[in-house]
Amino acid sequence: GAVVSQHPSRVICKSGTSVKIECRSLDFQATTMFWYRQFPKQSLMLMATSNEGSKATYEQGVEKDKFLINHASLTLSTLTVTSAHPEDSSFYICSASGLAGGHSNEQFFGPGTRLTVL
Amino acid sequence: EDKVVQSPLSLVVHEGDTVTLNCSYEVTNFRSLLWYKQEKKAPTFLFMLTSSGIEKKSGRLSSILDKKELFSILNITATQTGDSAIYLCAVGSSNTGKLIFGQGTTLQVKP
Repeated sequence: GAVVSQHPSRVICKSGTSVKIECRSLDFQATTMFWYRQFPKQSLMLMATSNEGSKATYEQGVEKDKFLINHASLTLSTLTVTSAHPEDSSFYICSASGLAGGHSNEQFFGPGTRLTVL
Repeated sequence: EDKVVQSPLSLVVHEGDTVTLNCSYEVTNFRSLLWYKQEKKAPTFLFMLTSSGIEKKSGRLSSILDKKELFSILNITATQTGDSAIYLCAVGSSNTGKLIFGQGTTLQVKP
């Protein structure tokens, strides 16, 4: 199957700093990438959908100025958590889909990034 | 509002038991239903179902979809401790390509 990587796998930062998380599709072109957040003992919550070369679409309740998403190429999307606070501590997971326009629902998940904000 | 509901939320069994996990959904423009297994990291793909009544099998795992009654089941036979995980059901919309996840079922298999 397709491989998606995320970096870093774990990050600890001080409150008020910004953190960038990278998501890469290693062996296919990802026209659409999705960013999820997962709190302990909860399911995955979709934060935003990004299509290569266009602005991300954010889910209701997700602040676009706080969670900056860039999808500049077909193999790379980044999520920047700006001015992070302890309540932003969570497990962030990206996934990638290789077909544009939602023609296929199969998404390939990255290994996730555990963010801890002190 | 689109939603996916899984049951039970948690389950404890002993090795060798058979378990059935349930997933019901209400989603506009349904396209597919997917099952994932999540251990300590991100979910790993198990099955994608698009048609009713066609069972998909992989080893001791099998799954089937009922599009009339809007549900799916995931069966695991002869469970092993390595099956302990969170099992996630997700439904995809043909409009957006997005997946809507259920709450997950936490399965613990005791030796």
